[in-house]
Amino acid sequence: KAGVTQTPRYLIKTRGQQVTLSCSPISGHRSVSWYQQTPGQGLQFLFEYFSETQRNKGNFPGRFSGRQFSNSRSEMNVSTLELGDSALYLCASSPVVAAQETQYFGPGTRLLVL
Amino acid sequence: DQQVKQNSPSLSVQEGRISILNCDYTNSMFDYFLWYKKYPAEGPTFLISISSIKDKNEDGRFTVFLNKSAKHLSLHIVPSQPGDSAVYFCAASAYNQGGKLIFGQGTELSVKP
Repeated sequence: KAGVTQTPRYLIKTRGQQVTLSCSPISGHRSVSWYQQTPGQGLQFLFEYFSETQRNKGNFPGRFSGRQFSNSRSEMNVSTLELGDSALYLCASSPVVAAQETQYFGPGTRLLVL
Repeated sequence: DQQVKQNSPSLSVQEGRISILNCDYTNSMFDYFLWYKKYPAEGPTFLISISSIKDKNEDGRFTVFLNKSAKHLSLHIVPSQPGDSAVYFCAASAYNQGGKLIFGQGTELSVKP
């Protein structure tokens, strides 16, 4: 089975722009979660989608949004980029939304905001 | 408020010896714990997990121990190999929080030949 894929792998944007990142989960997995990794804050949960519905959201401003499509693929969008949004954005998938389900991560998208 | 803590930022171990990585948590609602291994610029790779109804889970060279009363878990790697050198993250989830994982800050393990 192919793993979680994320595109693009690297991205450079300037302040004020917006960006869209894409994630394709493992085949058969219906839950997708997004995380942000920065040196200062570590790995932080952004949001979780299942059946095209957001099920859970972390403590991030409204500039961060996402969606999930009927084929379980997901996108996240960051509007009005700030320098502090520079991070590794990770997508993870699991078969269903449930506690005690292992999440499998993609390679991430490295975003640099100048 | 950091709910999951890995107090050792780094650990150095000789090849063949045991590596013990520690993790403490504060939220008593956590009922599922995972360990991930991560290389720079890559996504975390799942290693092993444990449910709160167990106190030990083993998979090959990796064993995770859970002490619920102390709110402490540890990952044992025996024997350690140079390829184990990476950053290790523990993560926890609560039954009422769906797939939301709370991560520790990570411990960088270096296994020397």
